[in-house]
Amino acid sequence: ETGVTQSPTHLIKTRGQQVTLRCSSQSGHNTVSWYQQALGQGPQFIFQYYREEENGRGNFPPRFSGLQFPNYSSELNVNALELDDSALYLCASSLGGRSQETQYFGPGTRLLVL
Amino acid sequence: QKEVEQNSGPLSVPEGAIASLNCTYSDRGSQSFFWYRQYSGKSPELIMSIYSNGDKEDGRFTAQLNKASQYVSLLIRDSQPSDSATYLCAVKSRRDDKIIFGKGTRLHILP
Repeated sequence: ETGVTQSPTHLIKTRGQQVTLRCSSQSGHNTVSWYQQALGQGPQFIFQYYREEENGRGNFPPRFSGLQFPNYSSELNVNALELDDSALYLCASSLGGRSQETQYFGPGTRLLVL
Repeated sequence: QKEVEQNSGPLSVPEGAIASLNCTYSDRGSQSFFWYRQYSGKSPELIMSIYSNGDKEDGRFTAQLNKASQYVSLLIRDSQPSDSATYLCAVKSRRDDKIIFGKGTRLHILP
């Protein structure tokens, strides 16, 4: 157990809907990174939040957005869901922003878009 | 050229043998390299990190890095059925500090 929690564990949505995924970081960690992992692929970096500010972004469209709260928990929001958004969404907690090395992953949220 | 490349496998290894997993990367300036293990339906778990050329050993696991060849490998000695999983290679990009994952290699330890 890494101490990183995510909710919900599973989610089914329909195309065009919006979804919010949540992540609680490990105690003492101020950085949360979000990844999308499609079946048979490695995790793809979506973005990172460090001390409540976006601190780097991967090649994902603006309909993927996020927040980090003062307690360093984080949300990932996806608008206008598409079928290809079906994936395992992982958050990873760490200390120190983009200079950080060691990330601890949560259990993930499996999203299915119909 | 993909940034981090791994053979997708499956790689089948008899129990007790050495499993050898390989990874190549394209960013010559990368400085940090990681191996994660991911069981089916679970999230990745960090096994090893390596930063300097050469070998780094931790129990049954040895990571090997050759920056000149842009190659990093993971050896698992005395393979156990519980080692059956997908192994993800990850490289920290020098350009933007992002951690880039390969697609992973599926390892199957044969009892």
